[in-house]
Amino acid sequence: DADVTQTPRNRITKTGKRIMLECSQTKGHDRMYWYRQDPGLGLRLIYYSFDVKDINKGEISDGYSVSRQAQAKFSLSLESAIPNQTALYFCATSVSSYNEQFFGPGTRLTVL
Amino acid sequence: QQQVKQSPQSLIVQKGGIPIINCAYENTAFDYFPWYQQFPGKGPALLIAIRPDVSEKKEGRFTISFNKSAKQFSLHIMDSQPGDSATYFCAASDSNYQLIWGAGTKLIIKP
Repeated sequence: DADVTQTPRNRITKTGKRIMLECSQTKGHDRMYWYRQDPGLGLRLIYYSFDVKDINKGEISDGYSVSRQAQAKFSLSLESAIPNQTALYFCATSVSSYNEQFFGPGTRLTVL
Repeated sequence: QQQVKQSPQSLIVQKGGIPIINCAYENTAFDYFPWYQQFPGKGPALLIAIRPDVSEKKEGRFTISFNKSAKQFSLHIMDSQPGDSATYFCAASDSNYQLIWGAGTKLIIKP
């Protein structure tokens, strides 16, 4: 089984809809991250969490919210989706700041 | 000051050649510089990383060269193979322990 899983893998939704992307990990890592990837822009950090009670905004948090339900679960929500949130979304985990980040397979989100 | 500038955007190299991907940064507080490799349909995966106290690090066919004074670092792939075709990202870790990512380089190794 994959260490970092994301659901759904693909999602098409309409403008204004609320959508949740879920991430689960079996690596036992405390730190979890949500990124979005756009062509030509690399990865940009949306939110990160150092443990269940420590959640921080990243570079592009506007329009997004997160929930850390447990050490192993970190969800990303788009309260009212808009077309420019169409992107590839990745969840990642790490042991600490300078350790390798392990990425999930990504969720491709399309907002019409 | 938080940006990491990566070049080129795309690169085509013949098998056996040595592709070189470059990154530059401004923030002198950056102190961890990883390279990630991403294949289509997959998440990025750590390839190799360096700290600024060394000028070069090798892992197999992959080498990072680091120039602290110029605030630049680069990835070299020796004896490149078609299986190395992927998108490569450089990154740097800032004082808040967040990774700041370059825009990526799509590398194609021709057989």
